[in-house]
Amino acid sequence: AQSVTQPDIHITVSEGASLELRCNYSYGATPYLFWYVQSPGQGLQLLLKYFSGDTLVQGIKGFEAEFKRSQSSFNLRKPSVHWSDAAEYFCAVGGYGGATNKLIFGTGTLLAVQP
Amino acid sequence: DGGITQSPKYLFRKEGQNVTLSCEQNLNHDAMYWYRQDPGQGLRLIYYSQIVNDFQKGDIAEGYSVSREKKESFPLTVTSAQKNPTAFYLCASSLRTGNTEAFFGQGTRLTVV
Repeated sequence: AQSVTQPDIHITVSEGASLELRCNYSYGATPYLFWYVQSPGQGLQLLLKYFSGDTLVQGIKGFEAEFKRSQSSFNLRKPSVHWSDAAEYFCAVGGYGGATNKLIFGTGTLLAVQP
Repeated sequence: DGGITQSPKYLFRKEGQNVTLSCEQNLNHDAMYWYRQDPGQGLRLIYYSQIVNDFQKGDIAEGYSVSREKKESFPLTVTSAQKNPTAFYLCASSLRTGNTEAFFGQGTRLTVV
């Protein structure tokens, strides 16, 4: 079955520190992977996506993510966090064909940034 | 401007009443989705539609109904059979299902009293 696990519910980092948010997925074929960010009471904004090709993808706001098929992971990283990055982050997996073409989200990681 | 519009932003209803949440998109997308968001549970898929006049149940469809009579519109009805309807509801659309990025509306916060 198609699923996404974000093991960290809440993370706190200091401004300027590096960040890594974990995401593991379960999918029977080549996945389509996404990271979204949500500010309180708002919709979701796409940060980056992986469909194929280079396993290190760059996104908006200085974020990047690396697809590792052997670990079924798609972790989000940022070298230096800014206070404005405080938000909730969601990993999602999609596919194509038949019953597996839904877009499924993880439970999210809430990021707090300390000054 | 192209995008997805959900209305209203806040909605209050009495217990036992059906309520319909609106979702309209002008992105010419084939696929549309409804998600429910509760604290600590992420986004759970209620229904999705790949094309006009077609829709499939997601993981938590009980107590909800949808229609897709027009490409631009995918309204969600929260029926009285939904045991715990108070939540934040998000609508999204994508060019196709699953393998293209989804664009989200700003959400509707439904409170049932």
